[in-house]
Amino acid sequence: AQSVTQLGSHVSVSEGALVLLRCNYSSSVPPYLFWYVQYPNQGLQLLLKYTSAATLVKGINGFEAEFKKSETSFHLTKPSAHMSDAAEYFCAVSGYLSGSARQLTFGSGTQLTVLP
Amino acid sequence: EAGVAQSPRYKIIEKRQSVAFWCNPISGHATLYWYQQILGQGPKLLIQFQNNGVVDDSQLPKDRFSAERLKGVDSTLKIQPAKLEDSAVYLCASSRGQGAHEQYFGPGTRLTVT
Repeated sequence: AQSVTQLGSHVSVSEGALVLLRCNYSSSVPPYLFWYVQYPNQGLQLLLKYTSAATLVKGINGFEAEFKKSETSFHLTKPSAHMSDAAEYFCAVSGYLSGSARQLTFGSGTQLTVLP
Repeated sequence: EAGVAQSPRYKIIEKRQSVAFWCNPISGHATLYWYQQILGQGPKLLIQFQNNGVVDDSQLPKDRFSAERLKGVDSTLKIQPAKLEDSAVYLCASSRGQGAHEQYFGPGTRLTVT
């Protein structure tokens, strides 16, 4: 079984400020973890992924996330927010829902607002 | 490379009607997924195909939902009859394989059931 909890359904930051989006997971197997971004009326786009290599993962658009097994966390950060970062962000864990195939389970999402 | 294509982008139907969504994955991607995304929630997996075979459909409401991927390429998801609670965005995704492979998402079909 697996699950994802994203703390804070809405986060607001000022342009230029630190972005921190929180994600905690549970998984019965070593997890693969993903962050996706969704802009209005679009599908999801992968920002970054952790697949058991380096615990600090760098992604596109200046985002990065750190896998902390002891805290079962995979928080997303960006040092300086830009107006174009305003979107919905989803954390996901890849594990076994049923059968032998890994599948993604998504969190409920965090809407990021960037204030001028 | 072309992305995942979906059509239609928007659909409005009345309850008890039927509707079908089409997805064309990225060329060469063996794995295809259908997700349901209800407003304010994350996507929920409905069904997963590997080539033209079903890997998992445990979360597909089979009394009204069906999906097929006959030639292992494009796929169709059907709802018959639709209920009000089926209003959602239906996302199709594809990947080269399972597990750690990145899933590429289409733009989705927004279904409104009235």
